[in-house]
Formats: sequence, structure tokens, C-alpha cells
Amino acid sequence: EIVLTQSPATLSLSPGERATLSCRASQSVSSSLAWYQQKPGQAPRLLIYDASNRATGIPARFSGSGSGTDFTLTISSLEPEDFVVYYCQQRSNWPLVYTFGQGTKLEIK
Amino acid sequence: QVQLQQSGPGLVKPSQTLSLTCAISGDSVSSNSAAWSWIRQSPSRGLEWLGWTYYRSKWYNDYAVSVKSRITINPDTSKNQFSLQLNSVTPEDTAVYYCARAAGGSWFDPWGQGTLVTVSS
Repeated sequence: EIVLTQSPATLSLSPGERATLSCRASQSVSSSLAWYQQKPGQAPRLLIYDASNRATGIPARFSGSGSGTDFTLTISSLEPEDFVVYYCQQRSNWPLVYTFGQGTKLEIK
Repeated sequence: QVQLQQSGPGLVKPSQTLSLTCAISGDSVSSNSAAWSWIRQSPSRGLEWLGWTYYRSKWYNDYAVSVKSRITINPDTSKNQFSLQLNSVTPEDTAVYYCARAAGGSWFDPWGQGTLVTVSS
């Protein structure tokens, strides 16, 4: 089973700064990687799919990059509402399983 | 837009069956381009995909190996919804359960609001 490792576990930054979140897969997942944002008490919300495509309604400050085993979510200029938790997720076909990373918490410095 | 509304009890006794329903609006459970999933989240296990049901000329199901012997996901075309049944629950099944649509096959959007299910006597 492919394992996704997110780093760092916690990232401390200030509003207006640039955030770079990492997701590393234990085997190549091609470009089949998604990113989600989760606010307290809410369900995860899709931000990025297929590594670099923004989901409908997602602000342009969110961007994704990478392929193979190394992926990055970048938030170009942090807004106060961005200080929450982010997860990456991939799909494997044999056996069919979807796995999530353990999350990165973005906190205000 | 597509919305998912979950319902079901928040407390289940050990060894009993956990049952949740997810009502779909803005799409069809019989869609040929979507799959309807259940995912749970707990502090110990993180986000864990449990399985899905989908229609491609006939109905299919896939389940995670970790729960395959205990899980059933069924569509209800008359009510445009789908359900989760998890048998023989233990306290380790305590989690927030989400329904979600898998569109494009590799990602989940949207998600239901979540239901905290506690397994306790």
C-alpha cells in the first residue's frame, strides 16, 4: 500500500507570507494526487486535483505541483482563513484503495 | 450544485450494526460518471476510505480490505441516496463518518457534513 507522508506536521507563518506544504508518496502515483483543506468541525474541501488543477471556486492563491513521488501545495499569500489543516490523497488500483496523508496544520506565527 | 446530506444515529452499541444514509441532490446515484463513497476520520486512523458503490450499466461495489468482511454500501434509486452498514462494531470504529462523491475517479468532491458515531455501551 502506498503511504503518503506530509511535511511539516505544523507550519508557523504570518498572514501575507507564502506557504509551501509537501506530500511525498512511498511509490510513484503519477499525477493522481489531490489536496484538501479542512476547517474545524467541517468536512474536507477539495482544493487541487490531478496534482495541479484547482477545483471549482478555489482562489488563485492556491496552487499544486509535482508528479511521481513528490508534490507541493503552495499558498502564495496567506489569508487569516487559511490557517487550518491540509491533507493530500492518492488512489492506488491494485488493490483499490484511497489513502490520505496525516495532514499539515498551518498555524499563525 | 451537488449536495450530500447525511443522516443516522450517533451512538451504536458494541457488536451491533452502524447504519448511515447519504441523500444526494444535484446528481444521481445512478450516474455513469460518479461513484458514491464512505470515508471516516478518527484521531488514531486519520482519514480512511471505506468503500463505494457505482453504476456502469450495472451496480458495482469496492471495499477497503480493512473492513471488507463487515461493510455493505447500497444504492437506493427510489430516494436518490446510498447507505453504509458496518457490522460487529467495536470502540475502534468510533469516528466521524463522511459520504462523498468520487468524480473523475481519483478525488472526492463534494463531501457530506459528517456524522460522529460513537461505539459505546
